[in-house]
Amino acid sequence: DSGVTQTPKHLITATGQRVTLRCSPRSGDLSVYWYQQSLDQGLQFLIQYYNGEERAKGNILERFSAQQFPDLHSELNLSSLELGDSALYFCASSVVITGGEAFFGQGTRLTVV
Amino acid sequence: DAKTTQPTSMDCAEGRAANLPCNHSTISGNEYVYWYRQIHSQGPQYIIHGLKNNETNEMASLIITEDRKSSTLILPHATLRDTAVYYCIVRSGGSQGNLIFGKGTKLSVKP
Repeated sequence: DSGVTQTPKHLITATGQRVTLRCSPRSGDLSVYWYQQSLDQGLQFLIQYYNGEERAKGNILERFSAQQFPDLHSELNLSSLELGDSALYFCASSVVITGGEAFFGQGTRLTVV
Repeated sequence: DAKTTQPTSMDCAEGRAANLPCNHSTISGNEYVYWYRQIHSQGPQYIIHGLKNNETNEMASLIITEDRKSSTLILPHATLRDTAVYYCIVRSGGSQGNLIFGKGTKLSVKP
């Protein structure tokens, strides 16, 4: 158990819909990262927050957005969903901003039908 | 951050040492070598990291060559549960944010 909690574990939704994925970081960790893993793409970095502020952005689509709340949990919002958004979404957390030693949650499996 | 090159796949017999190589010939002086692994569809798991000295923890050993252009992750007594994709990542100690995952090495431990 990494100490990072992601909910829900599984999500099935229709194209065009909007979903919210939730991440609770390890106690004391200020950095939160979101990654997408689809079958043919590998682990793709989406975005990082540190203590409530956006710190780094990867290949995150404009239809996707994220935020980190004062209690440090984070949410990833995916809207206007397409079939290609079906993937595993992982959240990770680390104590420091550099994040080399990061702890990953077990992921949310999103299926868009 | 420097790029890394890893073999696509490797096999190892159960109980034997698994030696996973990684080339990072463009590594610069302030960049660390990190290893993570991902067991089928689970979240990646941190294994170990180092700068220039060899490192050992309860999971593995990391051997970094003197010129730092390559490294080897050693699992001393591989078990079936070590079957996973192993990622070697090089990143600056001072940079913000993301770990960039490549394709990694698929290690299959066989009985």
